Amino acid sequence: DAGITQSPRHKVTETGTPVTLRCHQTENHRYMYWYRQDPGHGLRLIHYSYGVKDTDKGEVSDGYSVSRSKTEDFLLTLESATSSQTSVYFCAIGLGGLAGRNEQFFGPGTRLTVL
Amino acid sequence: KQEVTQIPAALSVPEGENLVLNCSFTDSAIYNLQWFRQDPGKGLTSLLLIQSSQREQTSGRLNASLDKSSGRSTLYIAASQPGDSATYLCAVTKVTGNQFYFGTGTSLTVIP
Repeated sequence: DAGITQSPRHKVTETGTPVTLRCHQTENHRYMYWYRQDPGHGLRLIHYSYGVKDTDKGEVSDGYSVSRSKTEDFLLTLESATSSQTSVYFCAIGLGGLAGRNEQFFGPGTRLTVL
Repeated sequence: KQEVTQIPAALSVPEGENLVLNCSFTDSAIYNLQWFRQDPGKGLTSLLLIQSSQREQTSGRLNASLDKSSGRSTLYIAASQPGDSATYLCAVTKVTGNQFYFGTGTSLTVIP
């Protein structure tokens, strides 16, 4: 158990509404990631963070923003949700190469449905 | 861009059989390769991590190998059990940067 929680675990929302997903870690790791998982596409990186206030885009970042004001929390925001953002969202933490181990551990996921 | 492929997409075997899952990647300049297991509706559970300087890692009935020159990794599962039924994913990271590239997974069913 890598001490990662995600909230909410399930959410149904309407097109055009803002949505914020939260990822919380208890291990004080520097690296945190947001992925989405869709059938036929596998896991795709949305954004990642390499420290407080330090973030970068992944391959599918359009329509998403992130914030990290504390080491333990990484927030993903959909400013105006669209049906194409219906997906399962996973947060992960990374060891960032500590002792040569660039290993990731995942949270339980958030299932988001945009109607 | 790193491309990661897992073949087959689905595999069904009788209980007790030994099996091999494959992971191929296009860019051999990888830092680590990690194997995960995902049960339906759940998150990913880390199984094994192979660092770029290593050729294999073992954990119980699982053995993962890495051949960077050919761009391949295999996950060997010995004496398969119904509880091994899940989707298995591999992911690689490059020597520089911190992005992980995932395969689309192999869905394994072990028949009692």
